[in-house]
Amino acid sequence: GENVEQHPSTLSVQEGDSAVIKCTYSDSASNYFPWYKQELGKRPQLIIDIRSNVGEKKDQRIAVTLNKTAKHFSLHITETQPEDSAVYFCAAINKAAGNKLTFGGGTRVLVKP
Amino acid sequence: DGGITQSPKYLFRKEGQNVTLSCEQNLNHDAMYWYRQDPGQGLRLIYYSQIVNDFQKGDIAEGYSVSREKKESFPLTVTSAQKNPTAFYLCASSIITGAPFNEQFFGPGTRLTVL
Repeated sequence: GENVEQHPSTLSVQEGDSAVIKCTYSDSASNYFPWYKQELGKRPQLIIDIRSNVGEKKDQRIAVTLNKTAKHFSLHITETQPEDSAVYFCAAINKAAGNKLTFGGGTRVLVKP
Repeated sequence: DGGITQSPKYLFRKEGQNVTLSCEQNLNHDAMYWYRQDPGQGLRLIYYSQIVNDFQKGDIAEGYSVSREKKESFPLTVTSAQKNPTAFYLCASSIITGAPFNEQFFGPGTRLTVL
């Protein structure tokens, strides 16, 4: 089955700096990679996703890149703000195997004012 | 925050007892999922169901059971066979289409503590 590894587990950045979270996956058949944000005490929410036929996708201050050959993808947050503080999860899915998500271990991001 | 609800928010259980966690959705979603979240770890899939009266095991199904008698409801029972049940449990639901990904929407979660 799929295995997703996520690094780092914790990340502390100064407000205004950039944050980068990296994930690797094992199943070359995985074709969709969503990112979820979970604020303290709240439910995970989808913030951005990318398909396997796309190398990069941006949405305001967040962007995701995918290297299908190397089987890794990354989340980039620019101009970080205190409200970006949360736990971020990457995930991978092979739709042909059902709508089952395999999550990475999560990254706790702390943005210091 | 409507659409998918879980109850109770907090649940305490004595060792050897079975407990049932509720998950209800009014989004008319076909698929529902149960995840377990432990501190410092990602979400792990327990069970999922894509249609009424049918469900499949996820990665960590041992010690858990589910039912899907109604489209709107997908209760999870944590049995006494689950050796380490203390965790945060999240329910999710999604539509099922031919798209590469159908976003899963999460409930607010139930925190289960075994005393």
